[in-house]
Amino acid sequence: QSVLTQPPSVSGAPGQRVTISCTGSSSNIGAGYDVHWYQQLPGTAPKLLIYGNNNRPSGVPDRFSGSKSGTSPSLAITGLQAEDEADYYCQSYDSSLNGDVFGTGTKVTVL
Amino acid sequence: EVQLVQSGAEVKKPGESLRISCKGSGYRFASYWITWVRQMPGKGLEWMGKIDPSDSYTKYSPSFQGHVTISADKSSTTAYLQWSSLKASDTAMYYCARVSPGVVMVYFDFWGQGTLVTVSS
Repeated sequence: QSVLTQPPSVSGAPGQRVTISCTGSSSNIGAGYDVHWYQQLPGTAPKLLIYGNNNRPSGVPDRFSGSKSGTSPSLAITGLQAEDEADYYCQSYDSSLNGDVFGTGTKVTVL
Repeated sequence: EVQLVQSGAEVKKPGESLRISCKGSGYRFASYWITWVRQMPGKGLEWMGKIDPSDSYTKYSPSFQGHVTISADKSSTTAYLQWSSLKASDTAMYYCARVSPGVVMVYFDFWGQGTLVTVSS
C-alpha cells in the first residue's frame, strides 16, 4: 500500500485553481527527499508533470506548478481546463523501504 | 526521440509463466535505469522495482521481492518483467519507465504504453 497520502478527489470549475496535497512521513518527504508529480489521463500511461518539487519538463503548461513548503508538498493547477481531468500521483523515495513510492492518487474533476 | 515500447496484452491461466518486455530507443539504454510499475484495475500506481541495464543490478520493492524477476539485455536495449507462476491477483496493467539520471533526485521521465496482463482460469 502507498505510504504517501493524497486526497481521493478534488474538483473545480473551468478557470479555477485547485491544489493537491501529498502527505508523507519522516522516512520520505519529511527526510527531505524530492517530490515528483505525474498526470494520468483516462486510459493512458502516466506522464511526468513536475520533477524536483517545482520543475516542469519541456511541454508542460505553466498552469501546473509544484511546491514543497516544509514537509507539505502540493501540486497546483491554475486556470483549470476540461483537458485537465485526470488522475494525479505524487512520488518520492522512502528510506525505510529503500525504494521509490507513489501517492494514493487524486482524481481531478472539472465541473 | 526517447521511446519505450512494451509488448502486447497477455491472457494467461493461473500457474503459467510469463515474460513481458520493454524496448528502449532514442537514447543510450545502458545509461539509465528502467523501472516497472503495477496498476491493478481501478487502482493506483505501485512501484515494483528497477534495474540498471549496464550491469543488471536490481532493486525490488519489498512487496514484490520474490514474486517477480526484473532483467535486461543491453545488447537488444530491452528490459523484462517475468513471473514463474502467475496468480489471478497479478491481473493488472504493467508500465515500464525510464529513471532519471542521478542518485538523489529520482523520477520517471519517459513511460511505456503499458502491457495488460489478465490471469484467469
